[in-house]
Amino acid sequence: ETGVTQSPTHLIKTRGQQVTLRCSSQSGHNTVSWYQQALGQGPQFIFQYYREEENGRGNFPPRFSGLQFPNYSSELNVNALELDDSALYLCASSFPGAMNTEAFFGQGTRLTVV
Amino acid sequence: KQEVTQIPAALSVPEGENLVLNCSFTDSAIYNLQWFRQDPGKGLTSLLLIQSSQREQTSGRLNASLDKSSGRSTLYIAASQPGDSATYLCAVRRLGGGADGLTFGKGTHLIIQP
Repeated sequence: ETGVTQSPTHLIKTRGQQVTLRCSSQSGHNTVSWYQQALGQGPQFIFQYYREEENGRGNFPPRFSGLQFPNYSSELNVNALELDDSALYLCASSFPGAMNTEAFFGQGTRLTVV
Repeated sequence: KQEVTQIPAALSVPEGENLVLNCSFTDSAIYNLQWFRQDPGKGLTSLLLIQSSQREQTSGRLNASLDKSSGRSTLYIAASQPGDSATYLCAVRRLGGGADGLTFGKGTHLIIQP
C-alpha cells in the first residue's frame, strides 16, 4: 500500500459529459501528478500540482484541468468527454526536494466513455 | 523530447530462470530512473529508484543498473517465480524538470510459467 488513494475505481460516462476524478496523496507529499494510460501503453503525463498551483503540463488539451487543495489532495476534471479519453487514470504523489523524489502511485480510476 | 524504449515487449520463461529487462532513453540529462511493476488493470508499484549519480540499486531478488552515458538501464530478476508475472515499466525524470513528470516506456509484459 502506497497511501495514495483514488476514487472512484471505475466509471462509465457518455461522450460529451464531464467527469471528476479524485486523489488523496501520501501523507507529507505536497506534489501530485496525473497520468493517462491507454490500453497497452505506458502512462502519459497530464499535469502536476505543487502547493495548489499547476507547475507542469504534458501534451493534453485545456479540457483536462485540475485542482489541488490545502491538504494536498487533488482532482482531475475532463470536459466534453471523447471516446479516446477511455483509459486508466493514475495519480502519483511525491515530495520534491527530498533526496529521491520517488513517485508513489494510486490504484487508478478506469474511465470508460461510451 | 525524451523517448523511453523497453525491450523485449513480452517475455515468457519457466520458473526459476534469471532474466534481464532492458530500458533505453534518448536524453541522458535525467534526474533519476524508476522501475515499476503493474498487475493487470491495477496501479503502479515502485520497485527501485536509481538517482542519476548512482550505478545500481538492489531490493531482494531485484537489481537495477543505470548507465546514464549510454542511456540504458537493466532490471535483473533472480530466480523468477510465478508471482513475478506482471508488466514492468521504466520511467525517467528529466534533470531540472521535475514539473515535466515522468516519461514512461511501454513496458515489458512478463509471464513466468510454473
